[in-house]
Amino acid sequence: SQQGEEDPQALSIQEGENATMNCSYKTSINNLQWYRQNSGRGLVHLILIRSNEREKHSGRLRVTLDTSKKSSSLLITASRAADTASYFCVLSGNTPLVFGKGTRLSVIA
Amino acid sequence: DAGVIQSPRHEVTEMGQEVTLRCKPISGHNSLFWYRQTMMRGLELLIYFNNNVPIDDSGMPEDRFSAKMPNASFSTLKIQPSEPRDSAVYFCASSLAQGGNTEAFFGQGTRLTVV
Repeated sequence: SQQGEEDPQALSIQEGENATMNCSYKTSINNLQWYRQNSGRGLVHLILIRSNEREKHSGRLRVTLDTSKKSSSLLITASRAADTASYFCVLSGNTPLVFGKGTRLSVIA
Repeated sequence: DAGVIQSPRHEVTEMGQEVTLRCKPISGHNSLFWYRQTMMRGLELLIYFNNNVPIDDSGMPEDRFSAKMPNASFSTLKIQPSEPRDSAVYFCASSLAQGGNTEAFFGQGTRLTVV
């Protein structure tokens, strides 16, 4: 089944800095989604970007998609301690969502 | 809507006992997913339903696991008999469209401990 691979596995930054996480995949996609999971909680949907889109914004989040390179990136600007969480990219289409191991982001106050 | 509701939030049971986890999806959603999360294996898809029908149960680890969706507003995941290696957080999620074409909404999970 389709599964994205996040990189890096872990990222530690200071509050106020930007955080960039990457996702690579191998198959064709209809769209790609990013989710966040705070420790011990359920996953929360952040952004869905369709295969014909190149960039999408939501508040401090910016997602890019390059289908020729089969990659996506999630940028969090002006990070806050509350952004500390695991972030997952998920390929989506007519198959159910399959999650990878995610990127563990730590924002230090 | 209150979102996806799972119960119980925590469950501690003895090995060999039957465990039933419950999920109420968001009203109007057509797809429902059960996931299991552990440190070792991450977030695994166990089974998913579309319009109350099981579509893919290839992730169900063993015959000890079974899932049902008797109607659009309720689903159960049963483990019988339970074993210590079943200890994990079990998440239920629902989405509006089939498969993964739209965003999925997750419940808060059930933390299962089998001793």
